[in-house]
Amino acid sequence: DAGITQSPRYKITETGRQVTLMCHQTWSHSYMFWYRQDLGHGLRLIYYSAAADITDKGEVPDGYVVSRSKTENFPLTLESATRSQTSVYFCASRGDRGPWGEQYFGPGTRLTVT
Amino acid sequence: AQKVTQAQTEISVVEKEDVTLDCVYETRDTTYYLFWYKQPPSGELVFLIRRNSFDEQNEISGRYSWNFQKSTSSFNFTITASQVVDSAVYFCALSEGSWGKLQFGAGTQVVVTP
Repeated sequence: DAGITQSPRYKITETGRQVTLMCHQTWSHSYMFWYRQDLGHGLRLIYYSAAADITDKGEVPDGYVVSRSKTENFPLTLESATRSQTSVYFCASRGDRGPWGEQYFGPGTRLTVT
Repeated sequence: AQKVTQAQTEISVVEKEDVTLDCVYETRDTTYYLFWYKQPPSGELVFLIRRNSFDEQNEISGRYSWNFQKSTSSFNFTITASQVVDSAVYFCALSEGSWGKLQFGAGTQVVVTP
């Protein structure tokens, strides 16, 4: 599918389990981002990446790990899920026009940690 | 510290009324970018408009218009002649630096009733 996709769309997991959320984009965009959306907070940046093997922490990185071995994929891993990580997770990508370029968002993954 | 403030949590209007969404931002950078995104009930995030810090010219695009004032650090967004399809959460976002990371406000829920 063209564009940016996320999988799974819905996930229920138990506290302490490892969970990986997948993000795939077909535009060959260099920049990719992970946000979480919680009521009252808008979207908050977890991690971002400027290219394969270049990643950095955002505003709320604790408890998360990312990797970017290929330009098109940017998986987000919760190493040991906690209830506070129950959220909607959005992946986004941006082309190389510069920081003024808009980000394109995936459909989101709704994660529930029980 | 919250860098983007959307003081209005929810706005309810009747169809055909105008709606103005307020956004106040905070930055020390001289170069930055401001965005508005829309999140309809289906959950996806849709880019609406963008403004850079060097261009204070206000514009109109269809039923959308925006008022950017650096003196008051505000980037307000207006929907003219609202329609039921405009019902959504609207997010204001700030981009600083070269990576284009977005910092979102908490969002304003717009409810348009027939």
